[in-house]
Amino acid sequence: AQSVTQLGSHVSVSEGALVLLRCNYSSSVPPYLFWYVQYPNQGLQLLLKYTSAATLVKGINGFEAEFKKSETSFHLTKPSAHMSDAAEYFCAVSIKPYTGTASKLTFGTGTRLQVTL
Amino acid sequence: GAGVSQSPSNKVTEKGKDVELRCDPISGHTALYWYRQSLGQGLEFLIYFQGNSAPDKSGLPSDRFSAERTGGSVSTLTIQRTQQEDSAVYLCASSSGSLAGGHGEQFFGPGTRLTVL
Repeated sequence: AQSVTQLGSHVSVSEGALVLLRCNYSSSVPPYLFWYVQYPNQGLQLLLKYTSAATLVKGINGFEAEFKKSETSFHLTKPSAHMSDAAEYFCAVSIKPYTGTASKLTFGTGTRLQVTL
Repeated sequence: GAGVSQSPSNKVTEKGKDVELRCDPISGHTALYWYRQSLGQGLEFLIYFQGNSAPDKSGLPSDRFSAERTGGSVSTLTIQRTQQEDSAVYLCASSSGSLAGGHGEQFFGPGTRLTVL
């Protein structure tokens, strides 16, 4: 079974400051890890994913995340926050699919990012 | 279509009524997922269809919930005898059958907001 823990349900940063959203996972097999963003009244959009290739993953909108097996972490960072980054962010884990190309996602509880002037 | 579409976008129903929620996946995607997003439970996996394989129903919360996927494309999630705790946003996602593109990525629809009075 897999699980995800996101520390901090709300994070507030100033515009231009570093964004750090924390995610720790638990998985009995090598995991696939994802970060999704959800803007108000919209569906989920994939920011980036780790599927056992490079451990430092770069995504859209300047976000990146580093897979650290020893720490079971996959924290999301962005060097400089922008007002448009305000949204809810979800970390998710899945396992390598036995058939097809994907398997069900287990999500964390989400972190709401607020960006202030 | 360009993305995953869901209908209706909003549904208000009375306790005890049956509801049907529809999902149109991205054309050509062989995998289709249903998730539920609620305040109390966060994002939960419900059911997963992959090609012609038997669906993974392990996330369905009760036997009042069922889903089908006709012709490997459109899916309908049915909730019978709705209860107030069924109120949530129901999200559909699809993923490609191609390993070359988007391995592991699920594309989400905008969701159906269900309110049970």
